Amino acid sequence: QQQVKQSPQSLIVQKGGIPIINCAYENTAFDYFPWYQQFPGKGPALLIAIRPDVSEKKEGRFTISFNKSAKQFSLHIMDSQPGDSATYFCAASIMNTGFQKLVFGTGTRLLVSP
Amino acid sequence: SQTIHQWPATLVQPVGSPLSLECTVEGTSNPNLYWYRQAAGRGLQLLFYSVGIGQISSEVPQNLSASRPQDRQFILSSKKLLLSDSGFYLCACTRAGEVQYFGPGTRLLVL
Repeated sequence: QQQVKQSPQSLIVQKGGIPIINCAYENTAFDYFPWYQQFPGKGPALLIAIRPDVSEKKEGRFTISFNKSAKQFSLHIMDSQPGDSATYFCAASIMNTGFQKLVFGTGTRLLVSP
Repeated sequence: SQTIHQWPATLVQPVGSPLSLECTVEGTSNPNLYWYRQAAGRGLQLLFYSVGIGQISSEVPQNLSASRPQDRQFILSSKKLLLSDSGFYLCACTRAGEVQYFGPGTRLLVL
């Protein structure tokens, strides 16, 4: 019940394409869903996050879509660029305890070809 | 905003040798601190977390231990390294439910 399932494992798109990464969870107590971007040899960096009271959040070219009833959320990258090539992790946690314990998906390696 | 420092950046150690990885945080007080391990091409596995000085919780049984001697210092240790301890170790912090930030990581290779 604590797992977050992420797919696909890897993804190749052409420049300008819209890669979509999907995640699903079971624990309905989760109330915070961040996405992290990680470049090789670096620590993950927060990209965008959403709470379950909204169905979509957009920041620049990155959009999270959230389906509370289906317990699924996804990341869309508009007008993808070669610089977006990285590994993306979804995660989920319960925020209201004052202590955040994130459960991570297994990651998606994205390659944006020029 | 907080800054997380980790050292060393890279470490090559023989099997059976001890380990000490250090994480320090600047720009915040009383943070919650975390140690993660990331195997090559894999996700992040939470190893330990700490809500305060001397308070350590372990997520998985393993060959490693953690300590928090100061508010903004978190140390990951081992008395005898195993080959399976190789990986990318990440320190992270949050404060009062805010976003979890990650440090730059330490790459450990056990030979």
